[in-house]
Amino acid sequence: GNSVTQMEGPVTLSEEAFLTINCTYTATGYPSLFWYVQYPGEGLQLLLKATKADDKGSNKGFEATYRKETTSFHLEKGSVQVSDSAVYFCALSDETGGGNKLTFGTGTQLKVEL
Amino acid sequence: DTGVSQDPRHKITKRGQNVTFRCDPISEHNRLYWYRQTLGQGPEFLTYFQNEAQLEKSRLLSDRFSAERPKGSFSTLEIQRTEQGDSAMYLCASSLPKTRQGDYEQYFGPGTRLTVT
Repeated sequence: GNSVTQMEGPVTLSEEAFLTINCTYTATGYPSLFWYVQYPGEGLQLLLKATKADDKGSNKGFEATYRKETTSFHLEKGSVQVSDSAVYFCALSDETGGGNKLTFGTGTQLKVEL
Repeated sequence: DTGVSQDPRHKITKRGQNVTFRCDPISEHNRLYWYRQTLGQGPEFLTYFQNEAQLEKSRLLSDRFSAERPKGSFSTLEIQRTEQGDSAMYLCASSLPKTRQGDYEQYFGPGTRLTVT
């Protein structure tokens, strides 16, 4: 079946540091890939997405590129802020049968300190 | 605010009791999903509806769980004879169907946190 593997957290960085959160996936077919973010006390929010190989998703300074050859979708940001502290989930959508249910990784907690 | 809403936000119940949660999707979304999230894990798919039809159910959805979407708008998730292992955050999401140009992303509600004592 489909699966998503994320690097374990927590990841602790100083403000303005470079961020990478690794995500690899296993899927049949050609899924769409997503990063969702969950800020403390809030619901899941879509951060960015990519729907086909070599697509780059970007939003709020975050980027991720759909790499089919390495089955990866790593999240990067050049300069993190304290306000980026949250839990980040990598996910893929399984469109078998016409639905698009999401398969999530276990999440990576990011803590950004001054 | 026209986002996905869920009610209640928190529910504490004793083992063996029945509970029901409600989800109101974004009004123009015809797809509605339920997920379960336990502490330290990512959400896991439970079931989804297109309009009023329940099109897929996960094997995680035991026979104590039932979901409905009677008029293709709001949905309810009922858990009968709750067990301690049912303690989790129950998330609802809604979307449009995937089209070539359309926005088919899933938008999530704030969740209902269930604690079974």
